[in-house]
Parts: sequence; C-alpha cells; structure tokens
Amino acid sequence: DQQVKQNSPSLSVQEGRISILNCDYTNSMFDYFLWYKKYPAEGPTFLISISSIKDKNEDGRFTVFLNKSAKHLSLHIVPSQPGDSAVYFCAATSGTYKYIFGTGTRLKVLA
Amino acid sequence: GAGVSQSPSNKVTEKGKDVELRCDPISGHTALYWYRQSLGQGLEFLIYFQGNSAPDKSGLPSDRFSAERTGGSVSTLTIQRTQQEDSAVYLCASSLPWNRVGETQYFGPGTRLLVL
Repeated sequence: DQQVKQNSPSLSVQEGRISILNCDYTNSMFDYFLWYKKYPAEGPTFLISISSIKDKNEDGRFTVFLNKSAKHLSLHIVPSQPGDSAVYFCAATSGTYKYIFGTGTRLKVLA
Repeated sequence: GAGVSQSPSNKVTEKGKDVELRCDPISGHTALYWYRQSLGQGLEFLIYFQGNSAPDKSGLPSDRFSAERTGGSVSTLTIQRTQQEDSAVYLCASSLPWNRVGETQYFGPGTRLLVL
C-alpha cells in the first residue's frame, strides 16, 4: 500500500520552460513534505520542503505547492535547465524522522 | 566537509552468504538512518539511530537484518543468509539530532547489492 505516489515515471521538458512534477498521498496525518533530487550514482539531495500549514513555498527557481484537500503536492521548476535533469522524489512525514518516499520521477530537460 | 559516505559502492554476493554494509555519517550528526530502494519502489525506511541506540527498528524486514552503530559515528548494516529479494540499493542518511520535523537528512551515495 503506497502512501506516497508519483504516477509519472518520467517527464521531458524543453530548456527554459516550466517543469511540473506531481505527487499524491493518502495519509491525512502527513504534515510535512519534502522534495529530493537524485543524480546517477549519488544519494538524494534535499531540495525544498513545505509544512502543512502552508500552501506554497518558494526557493529560487523551485516552488512547491500543497493542496491538502486533494492530498496533492507539486514541484514547479521555472525556468528549467539541463542541469535539472535528475530523478525527483517526493517524501512525506507525520511529524517524525520516518520519511515515506514516492517512487520518483525522472526529469529530462532538453537543450 | 565530507558528506555521508558508504562502502562498498557495489556488492555482488551469492544467496545464503552474509554481507556487511558500512556508513560514515557527516561529522557531528548524531542521528543516522538506513533506507533501501528496491527496483521500481520508493525509498523504504529500515532503522533510525540516535547516538549508538536504535529506538526505531520497525522497518527491518526480517530478523536476518541487523544494524549497529559504534562511537556515535560509523554504522554497519548486516544481512545474514542473503536472499534474492534483498537485492536493492541501501542508502544511509544522517542529520543533526532529531528534535523537530524539518531536520534535513543528508544521504550517502548508497550500496547497490545484488544477490545471485
């Protein structure tokens, strides 16, 4: 039973355009959400997070949106750059260190 | 400052053999976590250490899996009598002491384990 789902295994976007990565969750107790980025042969690196008391958090080109009623979050990357090509994982937690991860979305930004 | 390191980076073993996977956390990080990622799956939590104690072993899939941490630093994940379903990437992460949500977990590059 997957509590965090990333239904798109891959996404291709032209350089300079917006990348939108989606994540759905089922557990209403989740109150903190994170996005991690992973390059090949490296561990995931933290990108951005959002608390359930907010609906938007922005950091440079990266914005995370949270829709609690729909149990949905999304990561927007604007503008997309070739260096953004990686696998993106969303994760959720109900106030503990135990992160529940999705299966990842592979983003390819085309030059 | 070095990040989290793990060794070996790749391990191929025969079914039934024991394996040890090592994690060196970031200096000063007293919290340490093990996850694994099986093919086509998300990262799955295995165990959490605070210092040398493991208050949460809830994610260990069976009693063939054990982990220890010494000196509040290096951790070893041991899998006894490996099975083919143990094949996965094993990831270690560390963080400052866990006392609030949002304490960033920093991941190592992982050990890719293949059980033949």
